[in-house]
Amino acid sequence: DGGITQSPKYLFRKEGQNVTLSCEQNLNHDAMYWYRQDPGQGLRLIYYSQIVNDFQKGDIAEGYSVSREKKESFPLTVTSAQKNPTAFYLCASSIPPADTQYFGPGTRLTVL
Amino acid sequence: AQSVTQLGSHVSVSEGALVLLRCNYSSSVPPYLFWYVQYPNQGLQLLLKYTTGATLVKGINGFEAEFKKSETSFHLTKPSAHMSDAAEYFCAVSTIAGTYKYIFGTGTRLKVLA
Repeated sequence: DGGITQSPKYLFRKEGQNVTLSCEQNLNHDAMYWYRQDPGQGLRLIYYSQIVNDFQKGDIAEGYSVSREKKESFPLTVTSAQKNPTAFYLCASSIPPADTQYFGPGTRLTVL
Repeated sequence: AQSVTQLGSHVSVSEGALVLLRCNYSSSVPPYLFWYVQYPNQGLQLLLKYTTGATLVKGINGFEAEFKKSETSFHLTKPSAHMSDAAEYFCAVSTIAGTYKYIFGTGTRLKVLA
C-alpha cells in the first residue's frame, strides 16, 4: 500500500541534543512538507520541498534543518537552537500544484 | 495573502443531531479548499476537497461542504452525528498560483454527546 511513514512515533530529547525525525513516502509525490502542531495553534509550516535537492523555509524554520537527497525521503533535524521543540510533528506529501496533501502518522517529540 | 478562520474551537452536538463546522477563507486568487479530520495522536485524513466545478462537495463518512464564493465560506456539515465523528477538524486553503503552500485553520474539536 502506498503511504507516508514517520519514525519514531515517540521521541525524547535531552536539552542540547540534535534529533532527526524520519519521513518516507512511496506515493511518487514531488512535494513534501514538515509541520509542527501545538494545541490550539493548528499546523504551522516548518519547511517544504517541491523537488529533490531543493527546499524552502516555512513560517517557523528557525532551529530546524532538512535535506531532500531522494524523492522518497525528507528528514527533519531539530537542533539545539530550537528553544521549545516539544510538539507533534507531521510530515506530508502532495502532487503539485496545490492538490491534496497526504499525511504521515506523526512523531511526538518531548524534551526532557 | 491567504488565511483561514474556523469559528469555534470546540463544538458539541448530540448524537443524531446536525453537525455544522464553520470555515471562512481569504484568498486573492481562486482557492482550493480542504477539510481534514484528525483523531488523537494520528495524522490528518482528507474528508473532502473543492478545486473547481460543483460547489457542493461530498466526502467520506457522510460529510459534505459547500463552496460559497460570495460569502468566502466552506462550511462542513453532516446531517446526523455519530459518536465516531468525535475528532478535530481542520479547514485548509491553497492556490494553484505561487508556491505549494497550504494555510490551515486552528481547528475545531467536535464532541458528540450520547
